[in-house]
Amino acid sequence: GEDVEQSLFLSVREGDSSVINCTYTDSSSTYLYWYKQEPGAGLQLLTYIFSNMDMKQDQRLTVLLNKKDKHLSLRIADTQTGDSAIYFCAEKGGATNKLIFGTGTLLAVQP
Amino acid sequence: DADVTQTPRNRITKTGKRIMLECSQTKGHDRMYWYRQDPGLGLRLIYYSFDVKDINKGEISDGYSVSRQAQAKFSLSLESAIPNQTALYFCATSDPKFSGGYEQYFGPGTRLTVT
Repeated sequence: GEDVEQSLFLSVREGDSSVINCTYTDSSSTYLYWYKQEPGAGLQLLTYIFSNMDMKQDQRLTVLLNKKDKHLSLRIADTQTGDSAIYFCAEKGGATNKLIFGTGTLLAVQP
Repeated sequence: DADVTQTPRNRITKTGKRIMLECSQTKGHDRMYWYRQDPGLGLRLIYYSFDVKDINKGEISDGYSVSRQAQAKFSLSLESAIPNQTALYFCATSDPKFSGGYEQYFGPGTRLTVT
């Protein structure tokens, strides 16, 4: 079946880089997504990557995809206190019309 | 104005009561979803609908029902609420024409407590 896993917590200092990791099981995934959830709010899409890409960069965000290992990561450069949130990865499985979400990683940025 | 709205935002109810959570959207999307969020479990899909005549069960549909009254409205009902349905509930929409068709736009959430 489809499964998406993330570590639950990451703590970094302001100005450092953050790397949030995600593993998934569906090798036929076509799109993979990163969502951000700020306190008291719904999820907002940060970025996504198509499965035929290895990397995507968008300002401070870099997404790396290793299809062989089914591993996805989100790097946030120069992490700020406003980046403190829960980050969810999600995959669109090849055989389904739904997104499968990971458990979410709480990023805590220390000043 | 928010594109996806949910009412109520917070609700406390007693075991055995019937409760309805409502979702409205102004994005013009055909696809709508209901999720629940529990700490450490991420988001789990309850029901989804790809158009007004289409209703599909998600991974945790037991104890829930839905109604798609119009393209813009998708309601979630708990027929007889139980304490383990205490959670944060999210409605979402998507449009198959963008971002692979699966970028989802989320409402602000409804915090439901069943005592």
